[in-house]
Amino acid sequence: KAGVTQTPRYLIKTRGQQVTLSCSPISGHRSVSWYQQTPGQGLQFLFEYFSETQRNKGNFPGRFSGRQFSNSRSEMNVSTLELGDSALYLCASSLSVNQPQHFGDGTRLSIL
Amino acid sequence: DAKTTQPPSMDCAEGRAANLPCNHSTISGNEYVYWYRQIHSQGPQYIIHGLKNNETNEMASLIITEDRKSSTLILPHATLRDTAVYYCIVIVTGTASKLTFGTGTRLQVTL
Repeated sequence: KAGVTQTPRYLIKTRGQQVTLSCSPISGHRSVSWYQQTPGQGLQFLFEYFSETQRNKGNFPGRFSGRQFSNSRSEMNVSTLELGDSALYLCASSLSVNQPQHFGDGTRLSIL
Repeated sequence: DAKTTQPPSMDCAEGRAANLPCNHSTISGNEYVYWYRQIHSQGPQYIIHGLKNNETNEMASLIITEDRKSSTLILPHATLRDTAVYYCIVIVTGTASKLTFGTGTRLQVTL
């Protein structure tokens, strides 16, 4: 069974731009969560979607948004990029909210 | 969620068992113990989880003490590919999709 697929793997943007990251969950998984990982802050929860509905949201500004489609694929968008947004963005999927999450290898976003 | 404490680093010889400890002395009755690992340049990988009974799967075994205040992840025959940062986390039922990792244990497997 294919794992969680995130695209692109690497991305370079400049301050003020916006970016959209994509995540395809494991087939049959309906819960998708997004995380930001940095050396200083570790793994931080962004938001979680289940059946196209946002169930939980972490403590991030409104510049960070996401959505989930009917096929469970998900996207996250970051607008007005700041230098501090440089990080590894990870997507994880699970069968349901009580099941273990399985992560993709992330999108490494660098802001210049 | 309960806080966990892990040693910052450990070494293990290839082919030997790697025993990674975790303390979670404030764990509540409805909190599960989960283990993930992260190999350099990859996303975290789910290993195993348990509530109070010992668990085993194709990757590892999880031993939880009777009072549930600590646990040990056992990799029975460590290989170089097991070199990674291992995270022990405690999760309340219903929040498995909203994870927070601590600093974990950096396991170095050597020849």
